[in-house]
Amino acid sequence: KQEVTQIPAALSVPEGENLVLNCSFTDSAIYNLQWFRQDPGKGLTSLLLIQSSQREQTSGRLNASLDKSSGRSTLYIAASQPGDSATYLCAVTPDSWGKLQFGAGTQVVVTP
Amino acid sequence: EPEVTQTPSHQVTQMGQEVILRCVPISNHLYFYWYRQILGQKVEFLVSFYNNEISEKSEIFDDQFSVERPDGSNFTLKIRSTKLEDSAMYFCASSDTGTGGSDEQFFGPGTRLTVL
Repeated sequence: KQEVTQIPAALSVPEGENLVLNCSFTDSAIYNLQWFRQDPGKGLTSLLLIQSSQREQTSGRLNASLDKSSGRSTLYIAASQPGDSATYLCAVTPDSWGKLQFGAGTQVVVTP
Repeated sequence: EPEVTQTPSHQVTQMGQEVILRCVPISNHLYFYWYRQILGQKVEFLVSFYNNEISEKSEIFDDQFSVERPDGSNFTLKIRSTKLEDSAMYFCASSDTGTGGSDEQFFGPGTRLTVL
C-alpha cells in the first residue's frame, strides 16, 4: 500500500533563505508526482508536475526533483519570501488518470 | 486563465439531510475528481469520473455518495444522508488526460461542509 510522507511537518525560515521540502513514497511504481501549495482554508494550487520519466521540473524560483528508485522528491524554493508562507503538499498517482495520494504537508513560515 | 469553480463555498446542513455540491471543471478537461479534507488531516481521494461513468472510487465513497455530470459543464457530488463525520472541505479537480493533454490535476477552491 502506497504511503506518502512529508518531513518536517513544519518549517520556519528567514526571508531570503532557500527552502528544501521533502516527500517520500513507499511504492516506486508511480506515474507522476505533483506538488501543491495550500493557503489556510483555501484550495490547492498546482505548482509542478513531474512525470515518472523525468528527473526534475522547474518553474521560476521552484525546482522539484524526483528519484523514483529511492522513493523521494524534493521541492526547492529559492530566495524565499514572506508570500511563500503556506502548506506545501506532494501527491503521487499510479497512472495517468488515477487518484492522487497525498502527504500530510509541510507548513512553511517565512519570516521578514 | 481557466479555473475550476465550486459552489457553494460553505454549506451547513442537519444530520440526515441530503446535500449536493457543485463543480464546474475546466472546459476542455476529460477527467473529473472529488477529494475531501477533514480538518487537520490529509487530502483524501473520493472518486474519479470519465466518459460519464465512475472510473475509480475509494472505500469512503459508499452508497451514500453519488456523482453526476448532468450537462456539459457541471459535475456534482451528492451525499444522500449526511453524517457528522462527513464534515470536511470537499475539493473538485479536473485534468486534461487526453492525446496531447496534461495529467496535471487542477483543483477548485473547495466547499466547506458542516454537518450539525
